[in-house]
Amino acid sequence: DADVTQTPRNRITKTGKRIMLECSQTKGHDRMYWYRQDPGLGLRLIYYSFDVKDINKGEISDGYSVSRQAQAKFSLSLESAIPNQTALYFCATSPWGTGTDEQFFGPGTRLTVL
Amino acid sequence: AQSVAQPEDQVNVAEGNPLTVKCTYSVSGNPYLFWYVQYPNRGLQFLLKYITGDNLVKGSYGFEAEFNKSQTSFHLKKPSALVSDSALYFCAVRDGGTYKYIFGTGTRLKVLA
Repeated sequence: DADVTQTPRNRITKTGKRIMLECSQTKGHDRMYWYRQDPGLGLRLIYYSFDVKDINKGEISDGYSVSRQAQAKFSLSLESAIPNQTALYFCATSPWGTGTDEQFFGPGTRLTVL
Repeated sequence: AQSVAQPEDQVNVAEGNPLTVKCTYSVSGNPYLFWYVQYPNRGLQFLLKYITGDNLVKGSYGFEAEFNKSQTSFHLKKPSALVSDSALYFCAVRDGGTYKYIFGTGTRLKVLA
């Protein structure tokens, strides 16, 4: 089955550093999403994109930025990392216009900010 | 605003017994509802969805969910639990206008042998 891949899988960094998390997909889906998962809080949407020129903020976009370099690539950046951005980050994709609404998730990136 | 509530942080059930994981929602318009499962160190996997049609939806791994419009609920069920069903389960609703997905806080299911 086609994959959603995320790199790196684990990252430890220091406060104030710039970090980029990358997501690639071979599913050919137009829609891509970035979430963070925190214990007890579930998944919260950071940014989402419906095509290369369409990028939207989610509920917790402060401190984050994204880039949709191509249909298949969607990167998340932390310009100046802070400890409360320590979390598990997931990329997800979904198709458009097929009636198939479910999302397909990558394996996640565990980020620790010291 | 759309929202999803999973009132139980954890559900324990004996292997072979039926299981229920609860979810209630609040939406404007027609609900698009989903269940996902997360195994340790893995991303979320789709289980099933309700868009329209029959209130009882069947999904992967023997799971099913019952959509109840009057109670605004979408509970996940399985007639006979397996130890391998132990995982974190998320209910989600899709905003029909923006295509954003709102997730609940998750329920950890523990099936005891």
